Amino acid sequence: AQKVTQAQTEISVVEKEDVTLDCVYETRDTTYYLFWYKQPPSGELVFLIRRNSFDEQNEISGRYSWNFQKSTSSFNFTITASQVVDSAVYFCALALSGYALNFGKGTSLLVTP
Amino acid sequence: DVKVTQSSRYLVKRTGEKVFLECVQDMDHENMFWYRQDPGLGLRLIYFSYDVKMKEKGDIPEGYSVSREKKERFSLILESASTNQTSMYLCASSLGTGRLETQYFGPGTRLLVL
Repeated sequence: AQKVTQAQTEISVVEKEDVTLDCVYETRDTTYYLFWYKQPPSGELVFLIRRNSFDEQNEISGRYSWNFQKSTSSFNFTITASQVVDSAVYFCALALSGYALNFGKGTSLLVTP
Repeated sequence: DVKVTQSSRYLVKRTGEKVFLECVQDMDHENMFWYRQDPGLGLRLIYFSYDVKMKEKGDIPEGYSVSREKKERFSLILESASTNQTSMYLCASSLGTGRLETQYFGPGTRLLVL
């Protein structure tokens, strides 16, 4: 069975701090996709990144970066110099060859001024 | 940009009522999905559809049905609403070209069943 674990339920940081959100996944498949979504207080899930299992290159997009390590089955997300607008719930998700996404339970990030 | 819209942001219904939640996407996507989101449980898949008139059960289909008469529209139906169906409902769509595509989500509908 496939599973996604986001062990951090809530994180609180002060603006400008760096913060890393952890995501650990379980699957026996060799082909899979990993995603991160952001859910601000408005409720809509916003797609951030998608990574397939054959591409272990880390990715950086502005203040956001992702570290994919198959050896530890992790796909961690780092926000550098956090801002108040980063406050949201962040979900990691795993997809196999079918249609469904398996979501972690989410990490609620609060960035205070 | 992909646009997924849901008919209501907030809805209040009474136990036993028939409830329709509508979702429309404007990107000609093949696949559409309904999830519910509850505190501590994350997002759980209710139903999805990979083509017009086609549907598949997700993890928690009990108490729900769906309808997809047109490609752009996917409806979630609560035949007889119950208080344990109070939740946030999220619709999503994805391109569907024979391989898994990114799912894009609508703004959600917060349903309260009294």
